[in-house]
Amino acid sequence: GESVGLHLPTLSVQEGDNSIINCAYSNSASDYFIWYKQESGKGPQFIIDIRSNMDKRQGQRVTVLLNKTVKHLSLQIAATQPGDSAVYFCAVSRGLTGGGNKLTFGTGTQLKVEL
Amino acid sequence: DAGVIQSPRHEVTEMGQEVTLRCKPISGHDYLFWYRQTMMRGLELLIYFNNNVPIDDSGMPEDRFSAKMPNASFSTLKIQPSEPRDSAVYFCASSAVSLAGGSQQYFGPGTRLTVT
Repeated sequence: GESVGLHLPTLSVQEGDNSIINCAYSNSASDYFIWYKQESGKGPQFIIDIRSNMDKRQGQRVTVLLNKTVKHLSLQIAATQPGDSAVYFCAVSRGLTGGGNKLTFGTGTQLKVEL
Repeated sequence: DAGVIQSPRHEVTEMGQEVTLRCKPISGHDYLFWYRQTMMRGLELLIYFNNNVPIDDSGMPEDRFSAKMPNASFSTLKIQPSEPRDSAVYFCASSAVSLAGGSQQYFGPGTRLTVT
């Protein structure tokens, strides 16, 4: 099976600083990785994804880094804003080797942005 | 597109009653997922469908839970009889098949279920 864990349940950052949220996974066959943001009272919302043939992918103010050797991925948020306050989940799947589109979710990190 | 639609948004019921949660996935998506979220257990996959066929229901807690997908645009999750420990937020999500393997799931707003 697959287990996914985040390193910190809560992360507090100052507005304008960069945030880094980490995630570890257990199954080396995992080939698709995704970060979600969940605001209070809402469903998880897609932020960015990355496939196993890449080690870095950038979006708007966000970067995902993948280290397959140690089975670790991270989400970096540049110039963190109050609107970034939410719970962040990483999720993994092994779509090419089985499991189809099934995702295994981590436990989530609560990001708090201090003014 | 309106995204994934779930109803009701909130449900309060008494222990022993039947509860039915509904979901309309995004048009054209091949996969539909039902999740349960609680503070203690986080986000748990209950069951998922591919082309209306249940593929993996290993996450369904017990026989009190059942899910159906009679067509590509509608799914239900039923709890009968309901118990206080079923209180949670239930999410439905859908995704499209990807030849590259794995694709993002689009989540609905959730149904907050309270069983008293």
